[in-house]
Amino acid sequence: GQQVMQIPQYQHVQEGEDFTTYCNSSTTLSNIQWYKQRPGGHPVFLIQLVKSGEVKKQKRLTFQFGEAKKNSSLHITATQTTDVGTYFCAGDLDSSYKLIFGSGTRLLVRP
Amino acid sequence: DTGVSQDPRHKITKRGQNVTFRCDPISEHNRLYWYRQTLGQGPEFLTYFQNEAQLEKSRLLSDRFSAERPKGSFSTLEIQRTEQGDSAMYLCASSEGLAGVETQYFGPGTRLLVL
Repeated sequence: GQQVMQIPQYQHVQEGEDFTTYCNSSTTLSNIQWYKQRPGGHPVFLIQLVKSGEVKKQKRLTFQFGEAKKNSSLHITATQTTDVGTYFCAGDLDSSYKLIFGSGTRLLVRP
Repeated sequence: DTGVSQDPRHKITKRGQNVTFRCDPISEHNRLYWYRQTLGQGPEFLTYFQNEAQLEKSRLLSDRFSAERPKGSFSTLEIQRTEQGDSAMYLCASSEGLAGVETQYFGPGTRLLVL
């Protein structure tokens, strides 16, 4: 079936270190979205990427969409304890409004 | 608060009982989604509505599950004859805009525990 895979499952970093999570789809995506879910919370929208090769930045966060629109990454520079949470990518396969979520990368930051 | 709201936030029930959850979307949003999330996993799509019309249902949505959005505003998700495997967080989201460029805003979820 249609799947969106995400790695790593967990990442434990020292505050100030960088962090990257990767997302791969078995099929071409219309767009990809990234969400953050704090422990005990609900997914909160971060960004949406639509164009092939697109790169967007939000302060210390950099999001990329692959040229083939099958993969994406989220990079956080100089992590802070407030970055703790699970980061999910979610792919829109055919502009159908239905999102397929990855299994998430849980980020833990040691102060 | 103008965000998506869900009620109840927590529900504990015994196997075989029926439960109903409510979602109130952001008022101007015409699309409403239900997802299910189990521990350590991402949300899984269940169904979505465009106004009052239910346009897509996942194969995850067995016959015991039914969702409605009678007036195109709030929605309810009912689970009949609950099973222990139904234990999960049930998330509602709403959105507006064109396919491919819309943003889905999630509610706080209803956490269901079936004993």
